Amino acid sequence: DIVMTQTPLSLSVTPGQPASISCKSSQSLVFSDGKTYLYWCLQKPGQPPQLLIYGVSNRFSGVPDRFSGSGSGTDFTLKISRVEAEDVGVYYCMQSVQFPVTFGQGTRLEIK
Amino acid sequence: EVSLVESGGGLVQPGGSLRLSCAASGFIFSNYWMTWVRQVPGKGLEWVATILLDGGERYYVDSVKGRFTISRDNAKNSLYLQMDSLRAEDTAVYYCATYHNILTGLRFDYWGQGTLVTVSS
Repeated sequence: DIVMTQTPLSLSVTPGQPASISCKSSQSLVFSDGKTYLYWCLQKPGQPPQLLIYGVSNRFSGVPDRFSGSGSGTDFTLKISRVEAEDVGVYYCMQSVQFPVTFGQGTRLEIK
Repeated sequence: EVSLVESGGGLVQPGGSLRLSCAASGFIFSNYWMTWVRQVPGKGLEWVATILLDGGERYYVDSVKGRFTISRDNAKNSLYLQMDSLRAEDTAVYYCATYHNILTGLRFDYWGQGTLVTVSS
């Protein structure tokens, strides 16, 4: 199974400041079709997860452009350029290059 | 508007069975592989099972193989999870979600609100 490792596990950020979350996979997430099956989702308090980023760096519909994803192979990063109060929650990276689908442990973002 | 609504959760004794349902609307259900993901309250996300378009291929996490069965009815726009031989460690909120859109390639774009399954005597 592919192990997804996120760091840090928690973040406390002042509104307007940037935030960054790292996600490392134990194997390459590049499939034979050349695509990289790495996603980021956010679970706000009391809500189901919601897709933020797909294919490493593509923002899902409606996701603010302060969110960006980058990386390749086994190392990936989610960045928030200017954190807002509504960004509070747990961020997960996840891979679907192969079964079983696996998730990172989650990174909890709180506002200072 | 896209909607995924889970039902069927509840309290069940160890060794018992439960069938979860997920009613989909607002999108072309038959264009999507579908999946179940679970979450122990306060913990992280765990993928459970995925089913392809016509149900011909199904995939499961090792811990539920032989006990859970994922199925779908495209005519009813519905996804199911039959859970047998339930264990305390199956206690979780179960989310229905889209896994893969065969036209756009998008994955995990829609999630339901979840249904709580509690396995306890």
